[in-house]
Amino acid sequence: AQSVTQLGSHVSVSEGALVLLRCNYSSSVPPYLFWYVQYPNQGLQLLLKYTTGATLVKGINGFEAEFKKSETSFHLTKPSAHMSDAAEYFCAVSDNNRGQNFVFGPGTRLSVLP
Amino acid sequence: DAGVTQSPTHLIKTRGQQVTLRCSPKSGHDTVSWYQQALGQGPQFIFQYYEEEERQRGNFPDRFSGHQFPNYSSELNVNALLLGDSALYLCASSLGLAGAYNEQFFGPGTRLTVL
Repeated sequence: AQSVTQLGSHVSVSEGALVLLRCNYSSSVPPYLFWYVQYPNQGLQLLLKYTTGATLVKGINGFEAEFKKSETSFHLTKPSAHMSDAAEYFCAVSDNNRGQNFVFGPGTRLSVLP
Repeated sequence: DAGVTQSPTHLIKTRGQQVTLRCSPKSGHDTVSWYQQALGQGPQFIFQYYEEEERQRGNFPDRFSGHQFPNYSSELNVNALLLGDSALYLCASSLGLAGAYNEQFFGPGTRLTVL
């Protein structure tokens, strides 16, 4: 069975500082990995995804994530935080591309301090 | 281009009642998935509908059922409501079964409170 852990339910950074949100997964097969963002009272929006190929994935709003198989990790980073980045971030894993269950992590709430 | 829409926005029910939530997919999408997001947790997959049939199902009891209509819209029904069913219910749509190559787009959700 797949699972996702996100270290830190709440992360605070200063505006302009590096953002690092951690995600570790378990999967018995090569995984497909995703990061979603959820703003208050809104649905989830896909930030980026890893399928195959290049392990450094770039997404929207300046975010990127690196797939590290040896560490079973898919951490999300952004060089410089903006106030508008304050939201809930979810990492998710899927073990196939045929519409099987997405398994989401518990989420990390990012606060950006002025 | 309308995105995924859900109705109602909020709903309050009492234990034992039944509830129906509705979802209209993004224009051009033919697949709908439903998720339950309890407070402070990530979404949990309930089931996915494609071609008016349930294609995959998560670990949810039979009290949770669904339907997809010919226009691709969908309903989620929950019978015999429990306090633990209180959550945000998210609908997501995609073109084809959602997966690594078929992005799913989420609606804003329906907040269900069971008293």
